[in-house]
Amino acid sequence: DTAVSQTPKYLVTQMGNDKSIKCEQNLGHDTMYWYKQDSKKFLKIMFSYNNKELIINETVPNRFSPKSPDKAHLNLHINSLELGDSAVYFCASSKSLANEQFFGPGTRLTVL
Amino acid sequence: DAKTTQPPSMDCAEGRAANLPCNHSTISGNEYVYWYRQIHSQGPQYIIHGLKNNETNEMASLIITEDRKSSTLILPHATLRDTAVYYCIVRVDGNNRKLIWGLGTSLAVNP
Repeated sequence: DTAVSQTPKYLVTQMGNDKSIKCEQNLGHDTMYWYKQDSKKFLKIMFSYNNKELIINETVPNRFSPKSPDKAHLNLHINSLELGDSAVYFCASSKSLANEQFFGPGTRLTVL
Repeated sequence: DAKTTQPPSMDCAEGRAANLPCNHSTISGNEYVYWYRQIHSQGPQYIIHGLKNNETNEMASLIITEDRKSSTLILPHATLRDTAVYYCIVRVDGNNRKLIWGLGTSLAVNP
Protein backbone atom coordinates (compact mmCIF):
# COMPACT_ATOMS: atom_id res chain seq x y z
CA ASP A 1 0.00 0.00 0.00
CA THR A 2 2.60 2.49 -1.19
CA ALA A 3 1.38 6.07 -0.80
CA VAL A 4 3.04 7.56 -3.90
CA SER A 5 4.21 5.12 -6.55
CA GLN A 6 6.10 5.66 -9.79
CA THR A 7 6.78 3.42 -12.74
CA PRO A 8 9.24 2.54 -14.01
CA LYS A 9 11.94 2.76 -11.36
CA TYR A 10 14.68 2.73 -13.98
CA LEU A 11 14.49 3.84 -17.59
CA VAL A 12 17.37 3.59 -20.05
CA THR A 13 16.75 4.85 -23.55
CA GLN A 14 18.38 6.33 -26.63
CA MET A 15 18.50 9.98 -27.58
CA GLY A 16 15.53 11.04 -29.66
CA ASN A 17 13.10 8.53 -28.18
CA ASP A 18 9.79 9.39 -26.50
CA LYS A 19 9.08 7.97 -23.05
CA SER A 20 6.55 8.28 -20.26
CA ILE A 21 6.78 8.02 -16.49
CA LYS A 22 3.65 7.27 -14.48
CA CYS A 23 2.75 8.40 -10.99
CA GLU A 24 -0.13 7.40 -8.75
CA GLN A 25 -1.03 8.43 -5.21
CA ASN A 26 -3.58 6.71 -2.97
CA LEU A 27 -3.62 9.41 -0.29
CA GLY A 28 -6.65 11.25 -1.59
CA HIS A 29 -4.54 14.36 -2.17
CA ASP A 30 -5.59 17.18 -4.47
CA THR A 31 -2.13 18.34 -5.54
CA MET A 32 0.59 16.49 -7.41
CA TYR A 33 4.08 17.50 -8.53
CA TRP A 34 6.97 16.50 -10.76
CA TYR A 35 10.53 17.27 -9.68
CA LYS A 36 13.86 16.72 -11.41
CA GLN A 37 16.99 15.94 -9.41
CA ASP A 38 20.16 16.32 -11.45
CA SER A 39 23.62 14.86 -10.89
CA LYS A 40 24.49 17.71 -8.51
CA LYS A 41 21.50 16.68 -6.39
CA PHE A 42 19.56 19.90 -6.87
CA LEU A 43 15.84 19.19 -6.65
CA LYS A 44 13.85 21.45 -8.97
CA ILE A 45 10.10 21.72 -9.34
CA MET A 46 8.91 21.13 -12.88
CA PHE A 47 5.13 21.03 -12.68
CA SER A 48 2.35 21.12 -10.16
CA TYR A 49 -1.29 20.18 -10.63
CA ASN A 50 -4.07 21.06 -8.24
CA ASN A 51 -7.39 19.28 -8.82
CA LYS A 52 -6.18 18.34 -12.30
CA GLU A 53 -5.39 21.97 -13.13
CA LEU A 54 -1.84 23.03 -14.00
CA ILE A 55 -0.64 25.45 -11.31
CA ILE A 56 3.14 25.53 -11.61
CA ASN A 57 4.93 25.26 -14.91
CA GLU A 58 8.58 26.14 -14.48
CA THR A 59 10.89 26.87 -17.38
CA VAL A 60 10.79 23.35 -18.69
CA PRO A 61 11.23 22.56 -22.41
CA ASN A 62 8.06 21.92 -24.36
CA ARG A 63 9.26 18.37 -24.87
CA PHE A 64 8.03 17.69 -21.33
CA SER A 65 4.26 17.36 -21.08
CA PRO A 66 2.46 16.40 -17.89
CA LYS A 67 -0.96 14.80 -18.02
CA SER A 68 -3.37 14.36 -15.14
CA PRO A 69 -6.23 12.02 -16.11
CA ASP A 70 -7.62 12.25 -12.57
CA LYS A 71 -6.55 13.59 -9.17
CA ALA A 72 -4.76 10.37 -8.27
CA HIS A 73 -2.53 10.28 -11.33
CA LEU A 74 0.06 12.60 -12.86
CA ASN A 75 2.06 11.24 -15.74
CA LEU A 76 5.06 12.80 -17.44
CA HIS A 77 5.66 12.35 -21.13
CA ILE A 78 8.99 13.36 -22.63
CA ASN A 79 9.50 13.74 -26.37
CA SER A 80 12.79 13.66 -28.26
CA LEU A 81 14.90 12.76 -25.26
CA GLU A 82 18.27 14.48 -24.90
CA LEU A 83 21.40 13.59 -22.93
CA GLY A 84 20.68 16.42 -20.51
CA ASP A 85 17.38 14.85 -19.54
CA SER A 86 19.25 12.16 -17.63
CA ALA A 87 18.27 12.60 -13.99
CA VAL A 88 16.09 11.20 -11.26
CA TYR A 89 12.48 12.31 -11.58
CA PHE A 90 10.35 12.42 -8.45
CA CYS A 91 6.62 12.59 -8.23
CA ALA A 92 5.04 14.03 -5.08
CA SER A 93 1.59 14.80 -3.73
CA SER A 94 0.10 16.94 -0.99
CA LYS A 95 -3.33 17.54 0.45
CA SER A 96 -3.23 21.06 -0.92
CA LEU A 97 -0.60 23.53 -2.12
CA ALA A 98 -0.13 24.61 1.50
CA ASN A 99 0.56 21.16 2.93
CA GLU A 100 3.65 18.98 3.24
CA GLN A 101 4.56 16.87 0.23
CA PHE A 102 4.87 13.11 0.05
CA PHE A 103 7.38 11.83 -2.48
CA GLY A 104 7.53 8.75 -4.61
CA PRO A 105 10.64 6.55 -4.86
CA GLY A 106 11.88 8.25 -8.03
CA THR A 107 12.53 7.19 -11.62
CA ARG A 108 16.14 7.17 -12.72
CA LEU A 109 16.22 8.14 -16.39
CA THR A 110 19.38 7.54 -18.37
CA VAL A 111 19.59 8.82 -21.93
CA LEU A 112 22.38 7.31 -24.03
CA ASP B 1 18.14 30.58 -6.35
CA ALA B 2 17.88 28.78 -3.03
CA LYS B 3 16.92 31.06 -0.19
CA THR B 4 18.68 29.05 2.50
CA THR B 5 22.27 28.19 3.37
CA GLN B 6 23.33 25.08 5.23
CA PRO B 7 26.70 23.48 6.03
CA PRO B 8 27.44 20.87 3.37
CA SER B 9 28.14 18.09 5.85
CA MET B 10 28.00 17.19 9.54
CA ASP B 11 28.81 14.23 11.73
CA CYS B 12 26.99 12.99 14.80
CA ALA B 13 27.54 10.10 17.18
CA GLU B 14 24.74 7.56 17.45
CA GLY B 15 22.48 8.29 20.41
CA ARG B 16 23.50 11.94 20.62
CA ALA B 17 21.48 14.92 19.53
CA ALA B 18 22.04 16.15 15.99
CA ASN B 19 21.65 19.92 15.60
CA LEU B 20 21.41 21.02 11.98
CA PRO B 21 21.61 24.79 11.38
CA CYS B 22 20.04 26.75 8.56
CA ASN B 23 20.37 30.38 7.57
CA HIS B 24 17.45 32.08 5.84
CA SER B 25 18.25 35.73 6.38
CA THR B 26 16.09 36.97 3.48
CA ILE B 27 12.95 35.17 4.59
CA SER B 28 9.74 37.15 4.25
CA GLY B 29 7.05 37.51 6.88
CA ASN B 30 4.68 34.85 5.57
CA GLU B 31 7.23 32.33 4.35
CA TYR B 32 7.40 29.04 6.17
CA VAL B 33 10.54 27.05 6.93
CA TYR B 34 10.30 23.40 5.95
CA TRP B 35 12.67 20.55 6.64
CA TYR B 36 12.85 17.42 4.53
CA ARG B 37 15.42 14.67 4.39
CA GLN B 38 16.53 12.31 1.65
CA ILE B 39 17.99 8.97 2.53
CA HIS B 40 20.27 7.61 -0.16
CA SER B 41 18.41 6.57 -3.33
CA GLN B 42 14.99 7.34 -1.87
CA GLY B 43 12.48 10.14 -2.33
CA PRO B 44 12.59 13.10 0.06
CA GLN B 45 10.67 12.72 3.32
CA TYR B 46 8.89 15.53 5.15
CA ILE B 47 10.13 16.13 8.70
CA ILE B 48 8.66 19.32 10.14
CA HIS B 49 7.80 22.92 9.34
CA GLY B 50 7.21 26.20 11.16
CA LEU B 51 6.52 29.88 10.74
CA LYS B 52 7.50 31.68 13.95
CA ASN B 53 7.10 29.36 16.90
CA ASN B 54 9.21 26.37 17.79
CA GLU B 55 7.68 23.10 16.69
CA THR B 56 8.07 19.49 17.81
CA ASN B 57 6.77 16.23 16.42
CA GLU B 58 7.68 12.56 16.73
CA MET B 59 10.64 12.97 14.41
CA ALA B 60 12.32 16.22 15.41
CA SER B 61 12.18 19.69 16.91
CA LEU B 62 12.46 22.93 14.99
CA ILE B 63 13.85 26.00 16.70
CA ILE B 64 13.35 29.29 14.84
CA THR B 65 15.14 32.42 16.05
CA GLU B 66 13.04 35.40 17.05
CA ASP B 67 14.13 37.39 14.00
CA ARG B 68 13.37 34.32 11.83
CA LYS B 69 16.70 34.63 10.03
CA SER B 70 17.88 31.19 11.06
CA SER B 71 16.62 27.91 12.42
CA THR B 72 17.91 24.63 13.83
CA LEU B 73 16.55 21.17 13.30
CA ILE B 74 17.16 18.91 16.28
CA LEU B 75 17.12 15.13 16.11
CA PRO B 76 17.16 14.35 19.84
CA HIS B 77 18.68 10.85 19.70
CA ALA B 78 20.22 10.23 16.30
CA THR B 79 20.32 6.68 14.97
CA LEU B 80 22.20 5.19 12.04
CA ARG B 81 18.96 5.34 10.05
CA ASP B 82 19.01 9.13 10.35
CA THR B 83 22.02 9.28 8.00
CA ALA B 84 20.67 11.35 5.11
CA VAL B 85 20.78 14.71 3.36
CA TYR B 86 18.70 17.24 5.28
CA TYR B 87 17.11 20.09 3.36
CA CYS B 88 16.05 23.36 4.91
CA ILE B 89 13.57 24.99 2.55
CA VAL B 90 11.67 28.22 2.46
CA ARG B 91 8.20 27.93 1.02
CA VAL B 92 7.55 30.91 -1.17
CA ASP B 93 4.25 32.51 -0.34
CA GLY B 94 1.78 33.19 -3.09
CA ASN B 95 -0.58 31.28 -5.28
CA ASN B 96 1.74 28.45 -6.17
CA ARG B 97 3.61 28.18 -2.84
CA LYS B 98 6.49 26.29 -4.37
CA LEU B 99 9.45 25.00 -2.38
CA ILE B 100 12.92 26.33 -3.20
CA TRP B 101 15.42 23.53 -2.50
CA GLY B 102 19.14 24.01 -1.76
CA LEU B 103 21.87 21.40 -1.56
CA GLY B 104 21.19 20.49 2.06
CA THR B 105 23.42 19.09 4.78
CA SER B 106 24.71 15.57 4.48
CA LEU B 107 24.46 14.14 8.00
CA ALA B 108 26.49 11.08 8.85
CA VAL B 109 25.51 9.33 12.07
CA ASN B 110 28.42 7.26 13.27
CA PRO B 111 28.30 4.19 15.56
